[in-house]
Amino acid sequence: EAQVTQNPRYLITVTGKKLTVTCSQNMNHEYMSWYRQDPGLGLRQIYYSMNVEVTDKGDVPEGYKVSRKEKRNFPLILESPSPNQTSLYFCASSPRQGKNQPQHFGDGTRLSIL
Amino acid sequence: RKEVEQDPGPFNVPEGATVAFNCTYSNSASQSFFWYRQDCRKEPKLLMSVYSSGNEDGRFTAQLNRASQYISLLIRDSKLSDSATYLCVVNWGGGGNKLTFGTGTQLKVEL
Repeated sequence: EAQVTQNPRYLITVTGKKLTVTCSQNMNHEYMSWYRQDPGLGLRQIYYSMNVEVTDKGDVPEGYKVSRKEKRNFPLILESPSPNQTSLYFCASSPRQGKNQPQHFGDGTRLSIL
Repeated sequence: RKEVEQDPGPFNVPEGATVAFNCTYSNSASQSFFWYRQDCRKEPKLLMSVYSSGNEDGRFTAQLNRASQYISLLIRDSKLSDSATYLCVVNWGGGGNKLTFGTGTQLKVEL
């Protein structure tokens, strides 16, 4: 089954404790992206990757890191999480970059930073 | 001004009703447009792309007006299962294939 898989689905942690949210897709997509969703703000892009070893900042990259060592995986790293990073996070992928490429989303990861 | 604006609703409609949502976007260079559906606390799912000539998919019709920079979604014969938040999404075609999302319009279809 074609899918984007995120882990964990839920995480409650404390300020400053490094965490990683994994994202994996099995569709051989070139393009992957991370979004966060907050009430009243909609989904905002954090980072994106157009292919292996090619990543770039989105609209709200501060406090996050990503890597793309393999085509299928695109982990999101919070080196020192803070309460303002409490949010619902989505990973997405599409076959390639391009204006007519809709994106497929993972199930989401709900992070609470205390 | 937000890049993509939607009326948040909620729109409460009876089953069988026709309901329309509008969305405006600020970047005139925007090149592609989509409607996504999001159920409560779930991931967004593509409902349909929006083409310049307008397009239809069953009970759903999408329209694009580039001159006025708005997009619409019409749902005919509403079903209970249509209850969800509908996200207007714009890709301005610049670097990063970035999708810019509206905050969504909530639809509640009632018996």
